[in-house]
Amino acid sequence: AQKITQTQPGMFVQEKEAVTLDCTYDTSDQSYGLFWYKQPSSGEMIFLIYQGSYDEQNATEGRYSLNFQKARKSANLVISASQLGDSAMYFCAMRERLYNQGGKLIFGQGTELSVKP
Amino acid sequence: DTEVTQTPKHLVMGMTNKKSLKCEQHMGHRAMYWYKQKAKKPPELMFVYSYEKLSINESVPSRFSPECPNSSLLNLHLHALQPEDSALYLCASSQEGQDNQPQHFGDGTRLSIL
Repeated sequence: AQKITQTQPGMFVQEKEAVTLDCTYDTSDQSYGLFWYKQPSSGEMIFLIYQGSYDEQNATEGRYSLNFQKARKSANLVISASQLGDSAMYFCAMRERLYNQGGKLIFGQGTELSVKP
Repeated sequence: DTEVTQTPKHLVMGMTNKKSLKCEQHMGHRAMYWYKQKAKKPPELMFVYSYEKLSINESVPSRFSPECPNSSLLNLHLHALQPEDSALYLCASSQEGQDNQPQHFGDGTRLSIL
């Protein structure tokens, strides 16, 4: 069975500094996808970044980048130049491959990030 | 603004009431989802619709009844709920058959059961 582990329940970072949120995963599939979502206190789940298992380069989206280490089964999210608006819950998720049944997401427990001014 | 619209944003209901949550998307997605989320926990999948047909029911109690009238709309009918059903209910949609496409979520409905 697929599993996502986020070992940091909460983290603090100083404004303008970089922060890394950890995510490890377990799967027997050769082909899989990993997603990171941000959830502010308002509730909306915001898609941040995607990494495919066959992607040769680490994904980047603006200030977000993914440190993907396939052999270690880790997909850590790096946020550069933290802003106060980055304070939120962050979830790492893996998509379970289902044929014509939609894509079931397996979520980690989340990391609550607080950015200090 | 999200591309998945959920109404209402907040709902308070008694245990004997019947109410419905609504979700709408116009991105042409053929997979739609309902999730339940408790505070500071990850979302828990409840139902998946693929091409307007129920494809996954994660052993959800029958007091929750999903409905997909067309490819853009998803409803969740609520009846005789319990206090423990108080939570944030999230709707999501995604393209079917494309593993690299994310699920797009709505803002959610915050449900309180009295």
